[in-house]
Amino acid sequence: NAGVTQTPKFRILKIGQSMTLQCTQDMNHNYMYWYRQDPGMGLKLIYYSVGAGITDKGEVPNGYNVSRSTTEDFPLRLELAAPSQTSVYFCASSSLGGTYNEQFFGPGTRLTVL
Amino acid sequence: AQSVTQLGSHVSVSEGALVLLRCNYSSSVPPYLFWYVQYPNQGLQLLLKYTSAATLVKGINGFEAEFKKSETSFHLTKPSAHMSDAAEYFCAVQTGTASKLTFGTGTRLQVTL
Repeated sequence: NAGVTQTPKFRILKIGQSMTLQCTQDMNHNYMYWYRQDPGMGLKLIYYSVGAGITDKGEVPNGYNVSRSTTEDFPLRLELAAPSQTSVYFCASSSLGGTYNEQFFGPGTRLTVL
Repeated sequence: AQSVTQLGSHVSVSEGALVLLRCNYSSSVPPYLFWYVQYPNQGLQLLLKYTSAATLVKGINGFEAEFKKSETSFHLTKPSAHMSDAAEYFCAVQTGTASKLTFGTGTRLQVTL
């Protein structure tokens, strides 16, 4: 199993450009998440999904969109990139069932907006 | 709302010394608590988790954490630090539904010779 994979690893965007961060998991997990990590701030939840076709906002959703058409994929879309979106983005997944399931993380995408 | 606070953004220890990373939680219900480790330029990896089965939780790489309800703490310890332990450590609490997590701000552990 590859676990959670993310592409690209690095990206530089100009202000106003758009892009999609890709996330795929091969563990048949129902739950998937997008976080952003900023220095000294820990990880903040952007969006999450409890299954195909179901998404919901996290703590910092502004400026982002998501979709979940399959169990495996959970792309994150930035429509109009802003310098404040410079960050490291992590995708994670977790299995359904139980009340304390471990989240498995991808290696991250480092995004710079100039 | 549930939250965690990590005291000390940077901790430096000598190789072989005790590692103590602090985490305090705030929760109105019995919390589910986690410690994750992030090595440079990598994603997060679960070290250990508290799920109310036992107050002393053992994790990978010789780490353990003790849940103390009276002190609302879940501190991470390791008896003897190794150079390979240098990383950033995050405490997290499960929040609401869908196994969502709220993370602390992290503690960067430096291990010196």
